[in-house]
Amino acid sequence: DSGVTQTPKHLITATGQRVTLRCSPRSGDLSVYWYQQSLDQGLQFLIQYYNGEERAKGNILERFSAQQFPDLHSELNLSSLELGDSALYFCASSARTSGGEQYFGPGTRLTVT
Amino acid sequence: GENVEQHPSTLSVQEGDSAVIKCTYSDSASNYFPWYKQELGKRPQLIIDIRSNVGEKKDQRIAVTLNKTAKHFSLHITETQPEDSAVYFCAASSTTGGSYIPTFGRGTSLIVHP
Repeated sequence: DSGVTQTPKHLITATGQRVTLRCSPRSGDLSVYWYQQSLDQGLQFLIQYYNGEERAKGNILERFSAQQFPDLHSELNLSSLELGDSALYFCASSARTSGGEQYFGPGTRLTVT
Repeated sequence: GENVEQHPSTLSVQEGDSAVIKCTYSDSASNYFPWYKQELGKRPQLIIDIRSNVGEKKDQRIAVTLNKTAKHFSLHITETQPEDSAVYFCAASSTTGGSYIPTFGRGTSLIVHP
């Protein structure tokens, strides 16, 4: 157990819908990272937050957004869902702002039908 | 942007053999290179990492080497065991400016036969 929690574990929804994925980092970690893992795209970095502020952006679509709250939990919002958004979404946390060991959560498997 | 190539995509070895996975990167600004192990249905876990001011790092049966000039880095696993079977990902990133934007290789599925 990494200490990072993610909810829900599984999510099945229809095209065009909007969902919110939630992540709680390890106690004391200020950085939260979101990743998407799919068979065709592999593991891709989406976005990083540090202590409530966006720190780095990767291959995140405009239909996706994220935020980190004062209690340091983070949410990833996916809207206007398409079939291609079906993937495993991981969040990870670390104590550092850049690099260093990241602790991954168990992931949320999103299926868009 | 950064591009990371990882080879081979599948590696099958006998227990006790060594396994080597290679990655190349394109951005000379990349200075941090982690390796992750992901077992089926589980989360990625960092197994070893190396920074660009170091050429080699070892942790028990696992070692990573980095050649900055050639822009490639490799993972070496010695005395492989069946529990080493998993997908291994390399990544490259620059950590300048306080941000961390990793680019991952496509993964290597390592199968260790008992």
